[in-house]
Amino acid sequence: DAGVTQSPTHLIKTRGQQVTLRCSPKSGHDTVSWYQQALGQGPQFIFQYYEEEERQRGNFPDRFSGHQFPNYSSELNVNALLLGDSALYLCASSFDRGTGNTIYFGEGSWLTVV
Amino acid sequence: DQQVKQNSPSLSVQEGRISILNCDYTNSMFDYFLWYKKYPAEGPTFLISISSIKDKNEDGRFTVFLNKSAKHLSLHIVPSQPGDSAVYFCATVREKLTFGTGTRLTIIP
Repeated sequence: DAGVTQSPTHLIKTRGQQVTLRCSPKSGHDTVSWYQQALGQGPQFIFQYYEEEERQRGNFPDRFSGHQFPNYSSELNVNALLLGDSALYLCASSFDRGTGNTIYFGEGSWLTVV
Repeated sequence: DQQVKQNSPSLSVQEGRISILNCDYTNSMFDYFLWYKKYPAEGPTFLISISSIKDKNEDGRFTVFLNKSAKHLSLHIVPSQPGDSAVYFCATVREKLTFGTGTRLTIIP
């Protein structure tokens, strides 16, 4: 049973570019949440997708957008990249909102903006 | 506004001794708390949780204590083992997870 898988694991982008990160949830999960973890910080909630709709959003600008597909996989898109967007991007999956012990994280995608 | 705070960025403990990690929160409406452990190149993994109706929850070597009046929780690991070296995040969940900034625990053999 594959857990949460994310791709790519590492990538480098230039300021102003756009990036797409991908996430496949754990089997049986229908909800995907995205988090940004900057260096020395805890993960910060970006948004959550359920039934292909954005159900909840954290305090992130509109440059951050997402999508959920019918197979529950998800993408995170960031436009007009800034140096401050350099971070580890974590995807978490659950059945519905889940509770703490039923939320599973992927290994993350390291984004470096230069 | 940091709603969940971990004021110690790092902690070193001798193997076999007790590790105590602390966490403070600001919102008295929070009613469910969790600890996550994170190794490098891995996502956070759930460790232990506690509901606000309890003041203690134990799971093997791990015990979480909750002091609602002080808005404070702590994670005790005893005895500490080298494999416990990781970053520990406390978090609360209310539709979404809100994490603290983390404490890097190093167990010294």
